[in-house]
Amino acid sequence: GAVVSQHPSRVICKSGTSVKIECRSLDFQATTMFWYRQFPKQSLMLMATSNEGSKATYEQGVEKDKFLINHASLTLSTLTVTSAHPEDSSFYICSATGPSSYNEQFFGPGTRLTVL
Amino acid sequence: AQKVTQAQTEISVVEKEDVTLDCVYETRDTTYYLFWYKQPPSGELVFLIRRNSFDEQNEISGRYSWNFQKSTSSFNFTITASQVVDSAVYFCALWGCTSYGKLTFGQGTILTVHP
Repeated sequence: GAVVSQHPSRVICKSGTSVKIECRSLDFQATTMFWYRQFPKQSLMLMATSNEGSKATYEQGVEKDKFLINHASLTLSTLTVTSAHPEDSSFYICSATGPSSYNEQFFGPGTRLTVL
Repeated sequence: AQKVTQAQTEISVVEKEDVTLDCVYETRDTTYYLFWYKQPPSGELVFLIRRNSFDEQNEISGRYSWNFQKSTSSFNFTITASQVVDSAVYFCALWGCTSYGKLTFGQGTILTVHP
């Protein structure tokens, strides 16, 4: 149980385009989802926290207009990188917690974004 | 504020050696959870263990063991008889009851096990 999927696993796009990444909880209702970014040889950096049906809370320094997060249902959250640039190239990971697992996050497999 | 420190950036060992990965944490919460994750080259985080602040019993799972000491705010991870497949980045993380559900990650330790 507690499986989180991400789609796509890998995406390459041209500079200026927007990219949408989906995060789904497959067998539980995700009351809260988290989005992380990880640069090579670095730790995970939390970008934002989203609760179903409400606006995401962004960490300091993360541009909310650049990284649009939508958590429209209890099983789906999306991260849209708008007008992507090469510096947005990174590994994006989502995680989710359920109503009975508030202190444990279940992680998706990650999405590797490369912006040319 | 919460903080997790993994002082060892990279560790290199030869197969069959034992290796200990250090983790020191800071929190003002009295209720908290500590985690270890493994991140192989594929990138997907693999959950290894969760330990709550009220349970200081050491735990052993196969070749893995964890030593939790509240007195020194440490939660160290030992791999016995390391294998090449253990090569990965290992992260220690902390969840505190006042952290709004957020996890605080350490910087990670890159473990390379040579044949």
